[in-house]
Amino acid sequence: SQKIEQNSEALNIQEGKTATLTCNYTNYSPAYLQWYRQDPGRGPVFLLLIRENEKEKRKERLKVTFDTTLKQSLFHITASQPADSATYLCALDEGGGNKLTFGTGTQLKVEL
Amino acid sequence: EAGVVQSPRYKIIEKKQPVAFWCNPISGHNTLYWYLQNLGQGPELLIRYENEEAVDDSQLPKDRFSAERLKGVDSTLKIQPAELGDSAVYLCANRGGSGNTIYFGEGSWLTVV
Repeated sequence: SQKIEQNSEALNIQEGKTATLTCNYTNYSPAYLQWYRQDPGRGPVFLLLIRENEKEKRKERLKVTFDTTLKQSLFHITASQPADSATYLCALDEGGGNKLTFGTGTQLKVEL
Repeated sequence: EAGVVQSPRYKIIEKKQPVAFWCNPISGHNTLYWYLQNLGQGPELLIRYENEEAVDDSQLPKDRFSAERLKGVDSTLKIQPAELGDSAVYLCANRGGSGNTIYFGEGSWLTVV
């Protein structure tokens, strides 16, 4: 099964800056990769999905890239706001769309 | 559209006691998952249902954990007997139709003392 690595240390950035979170995987490239947001005491919430044949996906202030050569996805939040503070989870498909394997998540803190 | 509903939200039990968690999925979403999430970790799959059939339960510790999904709708996850190491969040999730998005409930927080 896949080993998924996300920065275990919290990422602290200033409001208005761009936050960049990293997700690295070790084995085969999945058909798609997803990013979720999780607030304390809540379940994960889906943000974006990117397929293996897509280089980049955008949604409002969010951007995801997928590099199958580097086995890496980057998740960007532009013009970050304190409300963006949360844990962000990367998830890879390992079952043809039926099984997601999650990383440990990276905690983002956006400070005023 | 109502989301995934889980209960109880919080449960504190003594070790060796049984506990059960209930999940009411989004209507029409046939794929149901139970995930376990430890503090500071990502969710880990316990079991996946397609309608009422458990199609992947390879990660479910069957000596003490059991799950059922009667009539392919609501699902229950049971632990008997609970151990201290079972303290975690138990998340129910759904996927419906041809979409790949998984919708999570708020989770059931278990503390075993």
